[in-house]
Amino acid sequence: DAGVTQSPTHLIKTRGQQVTLRCSPKSGHDTVSWYQQALGQGPQFIFQYYEEEERQRGNFPDRFSGHQFPNYSSELNVNALLLGDSALYLCASSLGGRQTQYFGPGTRLLVL
Amino acid sequence: GQQLNQSPQSMFIQEGEDVSMNCTSSSIFNTWLWYKQDPGEGPVLLIALYKAGELTSNGRLTAQFGITRKDSFLNISASIPSDVGIYFCAGPSKNYGGSQGNLIFGKGTKLSVKP
Repeated sequence: DAGVTQSPTHLIKTRGQQVTLRCSPKSGHDTVSWYQQALGQGPQFIFQYYEEEERQRGNFPDRFSGHQFPNYSSELNVNALLLGDSALYLCASSLGGRQTQYFGPGTRLLVL
Repeated sequence: GQQLNQSPQSMFIQEGEDVSMNCTSSSIFNTWLWYKQDPGEGPVLLIALYKAGELTSNGRLTAQFGITRKDSFLNISASIPSDVGIYFCAGPSKNYGGSQGNLIFGKGTKLSVKP
């Protein structure tokens, strides 16, 4: 049973650049949520995708956008990167938007 | 807004000891989730609780859904070195759309081994 996978594992970018992170949900899941985790903090909700649409969004600026594909995989895009965007980006999947979510290993983004 | 307060923030354990930690909120939750996160990894779901008063075990881990629905507890019995890590409580947020709201997390309890 394949778990949640994310790519890449690590990424280094400079301020102002754009980045795309990818996520494949756990087998059988159809909902993908993205979280940002700063060092020493708990994950913070960015947005959730279900049926290829953004269903809910947290308190993140429009520089953060996403997409869900027909196979339920998802991308997170961040434009005009700021130093403060450096964090671990986590993808979580669930079935039908249920509250029990399973996380991937994350993508560590460093913005210089 | 909703907040989850975890205590203690950190604790040192000796192999074989029992460990207790808790999570409280001023808001009512209908689900409590406990995750463990190792350095550089994503959180791993340990236990999910769906009903007030529910007591659920997963091996040496036991978690309880508080009767008031405003708190939850996690106990680890006979700790071993691989229990080291950060334990997060989480619950569905009402800030983001109601009953299927996404998760908010506490700041975690860091478990370390006594030198």
